[in-house]
Amino acid sequence: DGGITQSPKYLFRKEGQNVTLSCEQNLNHDAMYWYRQDPGQGLRLIYYSQIVNDFQKGDIAEGYSVSREKKESFPLTVTSAQKNPTAFYLCASSISPYTEAFFGQGTRLTVV
Amino acid sequence: RKEVEQDPGPFNVPEGATVAFNCTYSNSASQSFFWYRQDCRKEPKLLMSVYSSGNEDGRFTAQLNRASQYISLLIRDSKLSDSATYLCVVNIRGSGGGADGLTFGKGTHLIIQP
Repeated sequence: DGGITQSPKYLFRKEGQNVTLSCEQNLNHDAMYWYRQDPGQGLRLIYYSQIVNDFQKGDIAEGYSVSREKKESFPLTVTSAQKNPTAFYLCASSISPYTEAFFGQGTRLTVV
Repeated sequence: RKEVEQDPGPFNVPEGATVAFNCTYSNSASQSFFWYRQDCRKEPKLLMSVYSSGNEDGRFTAQLNRASQYISLLIRDSKLSDSATYLCVVNIRGSGGGADGLTFGKGTHLIIQP
C-alpha cells in the first residue's frame, strides 16, 4: 500500500536525551513536512523540504534538526535543546508545495 | 508568518442540520486552500481542496472569496460521524517565490447531536 509511515507510534524518553522520529513515504512525493501539535492547539510547522538535500525552517525549528538524504525519508531529531518536547508529531508529504498534503499516523513523544 | 483564523467552537448542531464554518487568512499571496478533518488523537485527513469557482463533494461545499480573504465550508444533512475538528489550511507563497509550507488554522470543533 502507498502511504506515509511514521514510527514509532508512541515514544518515551528521558529529559536531556536526543530522539529521532522516523518518516518514510512511498508516494514519490517531492515535498515533506514535520508538524507539532499540542493538546487543544493547531499544527505548527517545524521543518519542511521541497526536494532532496534541501530543507527549510518552519515557525518552531529551534531544538529540532532534520535531514533529507533520500526522497522517501525525512527523519526529525528532537534534541535536548528543545525545552518542551512532549507533543504529537506529524509528518506529511505532498507532490509539490502547492498541492494537498497527506499525513502519517503521528508519533506521540513523551519526555519524562 | 501570517495567520489563518478560525472560530474554535464548539458548534453543537442537531443531526440533519446544515452547518457552515468560515476561515480567514491574512496573506493575499496565499496560493492553495484546503479543508482537513481531524478526529480526536488522530492525524488530519484531507476533506477537500478549495477552488476559486467553489466546489462540492456530496454533502460538503467549499467556497473561496479572494477579495475578502476567506474560505468557507458548508455541511448539509449533518451526520453523527461528521463530529470532528475541521482545519482550514492555506499554502502561502514565500518572499523568495517558493512555498512556505502549509499553514493550519487551529480548527473548528463540531459536535453533531442525535
